[in-house]
Amino acid sequence: DTEVTQTPKHLVMGMTNKKSLKCEQHMGHRAMYWYKQKAKKPPELMFVYSYEKLSINESVPSRFSPECPNSSLLNLHLHALQPEDSALYLCASSQEPHWDISYEQYFGPGTRLTVT
Amino acid sequence: QKEVEQNSGPLSVPEGAIASLNCTYSDRGSQSFFWYRQYSGKSPELIMSIYSNGDKEDGRFTAQLNKASQYVSLLIRDSQPSDSATYLCAVPYSGAGSYQLTFGKGTKLSVIP
Repeated sequence: DTEVTQTPKHLVMGMTNKKSLKCEQHMGHRAMYWYKQKAKKPPELMFVYSYEKLSINESVPSRFSPECPNSSLLNLHLHALQPEDSALYLCASSQEPHWDISYEQYFGPGTRLTVT
Repeated sequence: QKEVEQNSGPLSVPEGAIASLNCTYSDRGSQSFFWYRQYSGKSPELIMSIYSNGDKEDGRFTAQLNKASQYVSLLIRDSQPSDSATYLCAVPYSGAGSYQLTFGKGTKLSVIP
């Protein structure tokens, strides 16, 4: 089973709202990722969690705040977003985050976010 | 700068033909290579992984790797309209105790009935 789940599927929020995206995996994976994908572009890495600790932040604006409550869950808290932040937000996980072993990375279905 | 290059397409093939998707990468030290399929409006789905030089077959899909030429390809035999999607080549590189995937821009494949 290589399932990563994400909620909600769709989200519309105003620029003053606060909302959260959720991601869950039960594969025992120890690395989890947030990506942002705009139309006709490849996924763009935002954050990497390795053993529940933030290991990579790709210079993402502070209006995006990640959280990893435990090894199965990953949240992305959203606050004061801009219309240009509208995109497909993807969560992914992989077995281990070792630097010299490239484990396969599995994506969830994504959350389609629209900022109005 | 790690780079992964793909022809953006669109690549159009008739139903039943072989579709050939190509990818080159810049990092000679890369050891793993992944192909993802992404339908419009959906998330990427991992369809092939390859780690060693040569061919790897899985059903109608064959991945080919040539590390000396820094080239990886995906062949789809007996192409079906359901194969119409964007195919992303992804190559990992290490960074800050974890690894990241560098994606190519994707090749859009259209299989014409």
